Amino acid sequence: DVKVTQSSRYLVKRTGEKVFLECVQDMDHENMFWYRQDPGLGLRLIYFSYDVKMKEKGDIPEGYSVSREKKERFSLILESASTNQTSMYLCASSSDPRVRGYTFGSGTRLTVV
Amino acid sequence: AQSVTQLDSQVPVFEEAPVELRCNYSSSVSVYLFWYVQYPNQGLQLLLKYLSGSTLVKGINGFEAEFNKSQTSFHLRKPSVHISDTAEYFCAVSVFSGGYQKVTFGTGTKLQVIP
Repeated sequence: DVKVTQSSRYLVKRTGEKVFLECVQDMDHENMFWYRQDPGLGLRLIYFSYDVKMKEKGDIPEGYSVSREKKERFSLILESASTNQTSMYLCASSSDPRVRGYTFGSGTRLTVV
Repeated sequence: AQSVTQLDSQVPVFEEAPVELRCNYSSSVSVYLFWYVQYPNQGLQLLLKYLSGSTLVKGINGFEAEFNKSQTSFHLRKPSVHISDTAEYFCAVSVFSGGYQKVTFGTGTKLQVIP
């Protein structure tokens, strides 16, 4: 069974901390994505990557960065966590988003206090 | 730019009754359309997709959706729901934009199946 694994299910961090959210996929997909999900707002794209060491900004990249050193791993970094970054973070991967859609991880619920 | 509208944020329905979850989109170019389901405390799972061809597409768990180009809609239907269908459902549209395939999600519809 193919998988996208997010390392933490729940995280609580303090304001100002540097936070790393890790995502690993075992499907050899080129394309990986980070979304945040908030009630009433749906899913909003933060960053995506179409290849190793490649990254592109999504719709809401401010306050975030990403790293993709290996094909299977895509990390989301909150440089200095703030309370407005409290959210559910979803990682996804795809071999072809146009026709195959995404495979999502189970999500990381981050609370910044 | 494309957009997706799910007009109903919540839909309560009795068990074994039919249900329709509405999705409308706007785009100036051709689109591909998807429905995802999110069960409590889980990620999203692909239900079905429309790429081309027949406008009626069938997905997992007995769901189906109909693409209507003139009305720019892609409504999700199930003839008889089960308690296990209680979840949040997201419509998504995919277009080629800026050199990449860009996917936009709707805000979701929570389906509550009442015993």
